[in-house]
Order: sequence, then C-alpha cells, then structure tokens
Amino acid sequence: AQTVTQSQPEMSVQEAETVTLSCTYDTSESDYYLFWYKQPPSRQMILVIRQEAYKQQNATENRFSVNFQKAAKSFSLKISDSQLGDAAMYFCAYSMYSGGGADGLTFGKGTHLIIQP
Amino acid sequence: GAVVSQHPSWVICKSGTSVKIECRSLDFQATTMFWYRQFPKQSLMLMATSNEGSKATYEQGVEKDKFLINHASLTLSTLTVTSAHPEDSSFYICSANPYFIYEQYFGPGTRLTVT
Repeated sequence: AQTVTQSQPEMSVQEAETVTLSCTYDTSESDYYLFWYKQPPSRQMILVIRQEAYKQQNATENRFSVNFQKAAKSFSLKISDSQLGDAAMYFCAYSMYSGGGADGLTFGKGTHLIIQP
Repeated sequence: GAVVSQHPSWVICKSGTSVKIECRSLDFQATTMFWYRQFPKQSLMLMATSNEGSKATYEQGVEKDKFLINHASLTLSTLTVTSAHPEDSSFYICSANPYFIYEQYFGPGTRLTVT
C-alpha cells in the first residue's frame, strides 16, 4: 500500500519569507501523481500544485513550487513571499495513475502553516 | 467552473437513525466520485470510490453496510450513514472527477454529529 509521510506537524514563517514543507512517500508504482492541497479553516480543499511522476521538470504555480525527487521519493513544497492568506493546513497527497480519470487520494497527516505578520 | 456542492453542510442526528449526504457536480459530469472522512485535526481518509451506474468500491476497513453509497447519475452521489452511532461523527468530504480529466474537485464537506 502507498503511504505518505509529512514529518512537520507545524511550521511557522515570517510574512514575505520563504518556507519549505516536506513530504515523502512510498510506492512501487512508476506512474503516479503527487499533489499539495491547502485546507483553510473553512475546510474547503484547495489544490495548490500537481506533479506527474513521469515529468522530470518540477511543477510551479506562481509563488508555489515543488522539489520532486523521484528516486528519493521526496516531494517538498516551497512557498515564496509568504502571505497571511497562506496560513492553513497543507496536505501532501498521492494518487495512482489509472490511465483514465482520477484515482482516490492517499493523504499525509498534514502540516499546519502559521504566517507571522 | 468545476463546482461541487454537498448537502447538508451540517447535520445532527440521534443514535440509531440514518442520515443521507448528497454530493453534486454542478457544472460538469462526473464519472467518478470519491468519499473521504476527516476526523478533527486529522487527515482525510478515502472511504470509497463510486462510479455512475455501478457498485461503489470500498477501502479496507470501511463497513459497506454502514456507509451506503449510490452514484445515481453523472452529477449525483449519495452517502447514507445507516444506524448512526456517536463514533460516526466526523467531517465527510466528497470529490468529483470529470470524464477523462485527471482532476478532482472537492465539495465543501458535511459535518455529521450523532448524539
């Protein structure tokens, strides 16, 4: 079974600084997807960024970027120029690639990100 | 676009009764919907995968007779918690997947409290 591990229960960063959230995973598959989701206090899940395992290039979305190390099974999220609105729970998630639509997600335990003004 | 709704957003029921939670994709057709459960201050756990017109696939450890899932149409899936007990109290979140697009869109969740 696939597992996702987030070893940082909580992280704190000053506004405008950069923070990196860690995630490791375990799988025997070669094709899969990795995600970072944000869950604010409203509890609505928001997709931050997605990485396809077959792509060597790291995904980026504005201030958010990932460091995907397939051999090491590591998938960290870097948030640049942190903003107060970035404060939330961040979940790393894994999904198998089924060739058609989406598969169910396996989530890590989450990292609570605090932004200090 | 790509909006998923859940109804109700919060429900309180008495122990022993059943409660139904609806998940709707409002502006797209969803061939697959997923149901997750989230305990307070914890992560999301996949409960089951439902495909329109076929039986749901439940994850190991999820009681299929307690958590009945029906994917009645391409825009609606329902989760019925039967004979609810206080330990079923949780936050239930659905997500929907459009046909042949690798994307999951999440609903806002339903808080279930069983007294």
